[in-house]
Amino acid sequence: DIQMTQSPSSLSASVGDRVTITCRASQNISPYLNWYQQKPGKAPKLLIYAASSLESGVPSRFSGNGSGTDFTLTVSSLQPEDFATYHCQQSYSSPYSFGQGTKVEIK
Amino acid sequence: QLQLQESGPGLVKPSETLSLTCSVSGGSISSGSYYWGWIRQPPGKGLEWIGTIFYSGSTYYNPSLKSRVTLSVDTSRNQFSLNLSSVTAADTAVYYCARVNTGSYYNFDYWGQGTLVTVSS
Repeated sequence: DIQMTQSPSSLSASVGDRVTITCRASQNISPYLNWYQQKPGKAPKLLIYAASSLESGVPSRFSGNGSGTDFTLTVSSLQPEDFATYHCQQSYSSPYSFGQGTKVEIK
Repeated sequence: QLQLQESGPGLVKPSETLSLTCSVSGGSISSGSYYWGWIRQPPGKGLEWIGTIFYSGSTYYNPSLKSRVTLSVDTSRNQFSLNLSSVTAADTAVYYCARVNTGSYYNFDYWGQGTLVTVSS
């Protein structure tokens, strides 16, 4: 099974900050890496698929990068509505595993 | 706009079977372009893929749950269902149904709101 590890587990940031979250896979999964945003009490929302493709309707301040085993999600200028938990997910092979999540909190 | 809605009991006794249904509106489950899946999230923890089904009935399960999981589809009602047998407290979670977009590198692009299932006597 492919293990997904996110770092950090949580971070504090201010509105306007540039934020980067890292996701590492236990083997090469390129480009089968997706990113989701989840707000408290809500379902996850797809942000990025295939490592760097922006889902329709998602603001352009979100971007994804990476290849092989190492991937990043960057928010170029954090907005109040971006405070949430972010999950990466590999879709390279079954079982389709998720990272443990990164909680982005207000500083 | 596609919408998914989970339904089923919020409380299940240990050793019994958890049964949930996902009703799909705004699109046909039989379109053939998508698969349909279940994902769960224990309180305060991460997401776990449970399994995926195609409208034809083809199924794909997480090996960690395969012995206890059955997915089924009812195209006449535009619904698909999850049965998880022999539940324990470890199966307490929010259960989500989702559409699987296999055309975009296999991602979950539409989700239901989720339903909390508690396993307790």
